[in-house]
Amino acid sequence: RKEVEQDPGPFNVPEGATVAFNCTYSNSASQSFFWYRQDCRKEPKLLMSVYSSGNEDGRFTAQLNRASQYISLLIRDSKLSDSATYLCVVTRQAGTALIFGKGTTLSVSS
Amino acid sequence: NAGVMQNPRHLVRRRGQEARLRCSPMKGHSHVYWYRQLPEEGLKFMVYLQKENIIDESGMPKERFSAEFPKEGPSILRIQQVVRGDSAAYFCASSRTSGGNNEQFFGPGTRLTVL
Repeated sequence: RKEVEQDPGPFNVPEGATVAFNCTYSNSASQSFFWYRQDCRKEPKLLMSVYSSGNEDGRFTAQLNRASQYISLLIRDSKLSDSATYLCVVTRQAGTALIFGKGTTLSVSS
Repeated sequence: NAGVMQNPRHLVRRRGQEARLRCSPMKGHSHVYWYRQLPEEGLKFMVYLQKENIIDESGMPKERFSAEFPKEGPSILRIQQVVRGDSAAYFCASSRTSGGNNEQFFGPGTRLTVL
């Protein structure tokens, strides 16, 4: 079983749609949680950290459920520029190697 | 403030040759991480270094791959006797500290093609 699992998609949505991505992780000792974004053939960039209390950054909301080992990302009012691959990331220990899921591809169309 | 720099951006090697990939971390960052992304795959951790020390090399293939981060100069990922399966994007990331939710900033990557 992979340490971080994501639905690969693709998710094809119209502009303005709300889309949710899910992710599960297998190591209950995982310490830190993130969503990264990767555009085609580019480097991954941090979208947001994920906390147990949930956190929101504009149109993006991330949730963490440690009991279920489940992480989610909600994107509201999708823009064309949101088209990218979204990577669920955990660390086994704080400040160490990032463990990436394979990513979920989002395509937003007009 | 320049970001993480990697060079070359593209590298073509024939089977059996050596590949050297360089990474200069962001100013003030002393922690460097190397990741590999095979075609159609997710990023996989390879090695974590601080200046002159390898902290975690659990993701490094046992043979042909080595990494260093000398006191002066960039971090180097070295692949000896490359094979076609080494063709991938190699990303370097740096962070200021370890611990906590320290953000790792990624470089643009080196795309290695082995002919």
